[in-house]
Amino acid sequence: DVKVTQSSRYLVKRTGEKVFLECVQDMDHENMFWYRQDPGLGLRLIYFSYDVKMKEKGDIPEGYSVSREKKERFSLILESASTNQTSMYLCASMGEGDTQYFGPGTRLTVL
Amino acid sequence: GIQVEQSPPDLILQEGANSTLRCNFSDSVNNLQWFHQNPWGQLINLFYIPSGTKQNGRLSATTVATERYSLLYISSSQTTDSGVYFCAVDMWTDKLIFGTGTRLQVFP
Repeated sequence: DVKVTQSSRYLVKRTGEKVFLECVQDMDHENMFWYRQDPGLGLRLIYFSYDVKMKEKGDIPEGYSVSREKKERFSLILESASTNQTSMYLCASMGEGDTQYFGPGTRLTVL
Repeated sequence: GIQVEQSPPDLILQEGANSTLRCNFSDSVNNLQWFHQNPWGQLINLFYIPSGTKQNGRLSATTVATERYSLLYISSSQTTDSGVYFCAVDMWTDKLIFGTGTRLQVFP
């Protein structure tokens, strides 16, 4: 079975802090994704990556950056956290057949 | 951009009841997927169904691509079916566009 893990289930940070959310997949997938989920808005794509050191902006990249130094790991970075970045963050990887496999999510609260 | 609309937004059922969830999309798509998000937040892929009908146990899905909609059927619902159901489409990219979901609550 594909396994996608995220570094934290719950995280509380203060405004202005730099925040790292990490995602690791164990199936050698090339494509990885970061989404945020907010009530009434569904899931929205922040960034995705087709391969190591490659990244593409999604629909809402402002205020975020990403890093993919190794194939199995995709990190989401909030350079200076703000209260409007309080959300549920979901990581996914995609294998053959275009099926996306999701991690358990990180619920981030920015105070 | 493409619009993905799901209905109903909320659904409350008693255990054993059947239900149909709908997903409408506003443009031609390459593929469509259905996901279930359990109450703890975990999203699980249910179906990859760009067209036709598929069944998996008590769940089945039908996509009519020419009419731009998909249906998810849940039969003999159980409390473990509770959660949020999302449909998601892509337009010949690897980027999924999600609907806003249907929240299902199944009571014993």
